[in-house]
Amino acid sequence: QKEVEQNSGPLSVPEGAIASLNCTYSDRGSQSFFWYRQYSGKSPELIMFIYSNGDKEDGRFTAQLNKASQYVSLLIRDSQPSDSATYLCAVRGPGGYQKVTFGTGTKLQVIP
Amino acid sequence: DTEVTQTPKHLVMGMTNKKSLKCEQHMGHRAMYWYKQKAKKPPELMFVYSYEKLSINESVPSRFSPECPNSSLLNLHLHALQPEDSALYLCASSQGGARETQYFGPGTRLLVL
Repeated sequence: QKEVEQNSGPLSVPEGAIASLNCTYSDRGSQSFFWYRQYSGKSPELIMFIYSNGDKEDGRFTAQLNKASQYVSLLIRDSQPSDSATYLCAVRGPGGYQKVTFGTGTKLQVIP
Repeated sequence: DTEVTQTPKHLVMGMTNKKSLKCEQHMGHRAMYWYKQKAKKPPELMFVYSYEKLSINESVPSRFSPECPNSSLLNLHLHALQPEDSALYLCASSQGGARETQYFGPGTRLLVL
């Protein structure tokens, strides 16, 4: 079982729709959860982080964490073509607090 | 300001060359990281420096040699690389602590011929 799992996609949504990206993790001791956006050929850009169960909203982005189900998600409202990118889920742990494990990423395509 | 800078942006080297990648941050972060990323794959952790000391080495071959001269600078010395080492090399930094977030630099795209 992979430590951090994501559906590789591509996930295609029409412009203006809500994109829902999902991630599951295997280590129940994980404490911190991150979403990075990565455009082709560029470096990952941090867009959200969440530590506690529940929802965290920042502009068009909402991160949701359910530690009991070991599940974290990212919702993108009013999706724009510029949101088309690969979204990486990252989890702190296992292996110590400095080690962040990345999922393989979900490619999102927003269709104009 | 969450800027991490990396030089060079692109690097082409032969298998007998010695080169270095550089990373710099002025955010006062105490932890710095090197990642390697191949196409369509997630970043893979190589090294972690915490308070200028090497704290994690993910069993990286010795042809990669990290160095942290001070809290703002991180180098990756390259020697006798193989073509399969061609990748995007990413530097990141973070404040340190269990909940801290990592910020990435723009990366160095390395091609080994």
